[in-house]
Amino acid sequence: GENVEQHPSTLSVQEGDSAVIKCTYSDSASNYFPWYKQELGKRPQLIIDIRSNVGEKKDQRIAVTLNKTAKHFSLHITETQPEDSAVYFCAASKDNFNKFYFGSGTKLNVKP
Amino acid sequence: NAGVTQTPKFQVLKTGQSMTLQCAQDMNHEYMSWYRQDPGMGLRLIHYSVGAGITDQGEVPNGYNVSRSTTEDFPLRLLSAAPSQTSVYFCATQVSGANVLTFGAGSRLTVL
Repeated sequence: GENVEQHPSTLSVQEGDSAVIKCTYSDSASNYFPWYKQELGKRPQLIIDIRSNVGEKKDQRIAVTLNKTAKHFSLHITETQPEDSAVYFCAASKDNFNKFYFGSGTKLNVKP
Repeated sequence: NAGVTQTPKFQVLKTGQSMTLQCAQDMNHEYMSWYRQDPGMGLRLIHYSVGAGITDQGEVPNGYNVSRSTTEDFPLRLLSAAPSQTSVYFCATQVSGANVLTFGAGSRLTVL
């Protein structure tokens, strides 16, 4: 099966700085890579995703990049704000989307 | 429109007891799945279903049973609870062939 590794496990940044979270995957057949944000005590919610036919995708302050050759993808958050503090999970899936394999999560702390 | 409803929110069991975590959705999503979330391990797929009458195993199915008699409901059964099943459980739904997971609020289970 697929194996998704995520780094770092914790990340602390100053408000206004950028944050980068990285994930690698093992199955070259995976072609869909979402990122979920989970605030304390809440359910995970999709914040951005990318398909394997795209190298980069942006949505306001967040962006995701994908390197298919190296089998890694990254989440970039610019101009971080305290409300960005949460746990972020990357995931990988194949065409049928029946199964998602999640990374172990990154706890982002944005200090005001 | 309630979305995805999980019950109970909290449960404490003794080793060897059985129980069922309920998941109901009113969005007519074909796909439903159960994940468990443990510290430092992200979300791991337990079982999933692509439609009524169809279920399949995920990454960590041992100790859990599921059934899908209707589109709306996807209960997760623990036949003989073990301390290793202490976790937060999330039910998720998807439109068939679509990629976005919609999560329930979660059920926190403690097995003593």
